[in-house]
This record gives sequence, C-alpha cells and structure tokens, in this order.
Amino acid sequence: GAVVSQHPSWVICKSGTSVKIECRSLDFQATTMFWYRQFPKQSLMLMATSNEGSKATYEQGVEKDKFLINHASLTLSTLTVTSAHPEDSSFYICSARDRRVSPLHFGNGTRLTVT
Amino acid sequence: DQQVKQNSPSLSVQEGRISILNCDYTNSMFDYFLWYKKYPAEGPTFLISISSIKDKNEDGRFTVFLNKSAKHLSLHIVPSQPGDSAVYFCAATIIQGAQKLVFGQGTRLTINP
Repeated sequence: GAVVSQHPSWVICKSGTSVKIECRSLDFQATTMFWYRQFPKQSLMLMATSNEGSKATYEQGVEKDKFLINHASLTLSTLTVTSAHPEDSSFYICSARDRRVSPLHFGNGTRLTVT
Repeated sequence: DQQVKQNSPSLSVQEGRISILNCDYTNSMFDYFLWYKKYPAEGPTFLISISSIKDKNEDGRFTVFLNKSAKHLSLHIVPSQPGDSAVYFCAATIIQGAQKLVFGQGTRLTINP
C-alpha cells in the first residue's frame, strides 16, 4: 500500500531556532499533502494544505510566516517551524493520498520539543 | 465549532466481545467518512471508510454503519482482540473540494484479556 515517510521522528531544539520536517510519498506522487498537528489527548488539527508548485493554503489561526511549507516536488513536502517557542512543542503529522478519492495515508509523525 | 465529535473518550471491552465506537457530525455536506487507528507516537492508520451513498461497509472484523438522518456513524469490531487496543479517530470530508479531513477527538479503546 501507499507509504508516507516523515523525518525526523523526534527533534529537540532550543527556543528561537528553526526546525525542518520532511514528508515524502514513497511509492506514489502526491500533488497535495496535508500537515496536521496534535496536542496531547486532543484531535488532529489541520494546519495547512501543501500544493505542489504553488503556495500552501493555511487554516485559520495558523501563522504562515511561522510554519513555512514548501512542496517542491510531487513526492516531497517540508514544514519549517521558524523561531520555535516552547508552545510550538507538539506532534506534527503529514499526510497524502495517491488518488483523488482515496483515504489519506499518514506519516509516523514528528515529536517536536522546544526547550 | 467541533464538526465531528466522539463523545466517549475511552472504552473498555473484553476480548472476544464486540467493540462499538461512535461518532457524530454536524456538517450535512460531509459525504465521505473514515476511521483511523492510532498508536502513541505514530501516525494514524486507515481502517475503513464509507461513502454517504451507503449505510454499511464491512471489511473483515470491522464494520462501519452510517445513519445520515441522525448524522451518526459507528465502527463495530468483532471479535475484539488485544491488538485492537489503540485510539480510534473518525474523520469526515467533502469529496468535491479540497477533501480536507476533519477529525473527531478520538476514543481510546482498551481490550481486556
């Protein structure tokens, strides 16, 4: 089945630094990828929709200058958390689908801890 | 505005019995529904889905029921196995459009031996 790979699986960084998270579709091309965030014991909240070759579409309340998304190819989308603060500590998950009407496949997530 | 709700944060079921997880939604535009299973520190894994043109979809031990008039869906797992212990999320989307998934809060299912 379709596989989505996310890297790194966990990262610890200091406040004020930037962190890049990669999301790759391994055996299919994804024109659209989605980035989610999950706080402990809460639901997955959509942050943004990453579109290959164009700007990402951000959900209301998500700062696009803080969470930079780049979808440079049909198999790779990156999320960069800029000037990270402790409140950015969370579990970030990317997802993609290989056909228009098909279930989303999720990466294994990235646990970000900002100290 | 929580468009997809899972009102039971946890559920405990004995091994071999049926597990029933419930989900309610408010947006009548949703026409495709999915259930995902999630282990800690991992991404969700797709389990089963159902289109709004159906009221039931079955895949092995998993069956999803959709009641459009009540805006309610449920996931039945029978027989329940210890490996089914996880957090289950229901999600909904609109097929025509961006197809963004809206997730419920999740239900932690524990299967007791």
